[in-house]
Amino acid sequence: QLQLRESGPGLVKPSETLSLTCTISGDSISSYDYYWGWIRQPPGKGLEWIGSISYTGSTYYKSSLQSRVTISVDTSKTLFSLDLISVTAADTAIYYCARLVDTSMGRVDYWGQGTLVTVSS
Amino acid sequence: DIQMTQSPSSLSASVRDRVSITCRASQSISSFLNWYQQKPGKAPKLLIYAASSLQSGVPSRFSGSGSGTDFTLTISSLQPEDFATYYCQQSYSTPSTFGQGTNLEIK
Repeated sequence: QLQLRESGPGLVKPSETLSLTCTISGDSISSYDYYWGWIRQPPGKGLEWIGSISYTGSTYYKSSLQSRVTISVDTSKTLFSLDLISVTAADTAIYYCARLVDTSMGRVDYWGQGTLVTVSS
Repeated sequence: DIQMTQSPSSLSASVRDRVSITCRASQSISSFLNWYQQKPGKAPKLLIYAASSLQSGVPSRFSGSGSGTDFTLTISSLQPEDFATYYCQQSYSTPSTFGQGTNLEIK
């Protein structure tokens, strides 16, 4: 059974970098059938797709975040990561890592449990 | 970006009711439409993909229909565990986008 688990700081200061890691267990990260992505949800609000990556390293980002976001993959360690620079309070959200089926923006069949990141001084 | 609009935003219903939630895309997305259920404090769960395909393990009382710009999620007979928030998602083009959610509450 595939499991995804997010890890990283729960509190980040404004203007600094938010860095999260998603560790995969129970299956291989190296498959052409899946992409690996990040989705966030501000408290009490809806879902926002941030971006995704293939196991070969091809990346796809939401255009409004593209200048601040980097998603990377480490197939040897079976994990992928999110870096978001120059954060503001608007980046406060629950961040989910996810497995996307077939395409870079495909349906999400597996989600991490989510991790709350608060941007505050 | 493609905009996804759900209606209603909230809905009150009773156990054993039949309910429908609609999702409209700002442009045609063929059948690249997925539905999720989210309960408080939990990650979303995939219910329906490709507009009408039932995800493995999801009860058959959930069904989806539509293509192009208009889609519907139907729950044929509400069960107590179905009270949650529901989201649609288009997977037609990057960036993927979600509807704003429909909160299904107990009447």
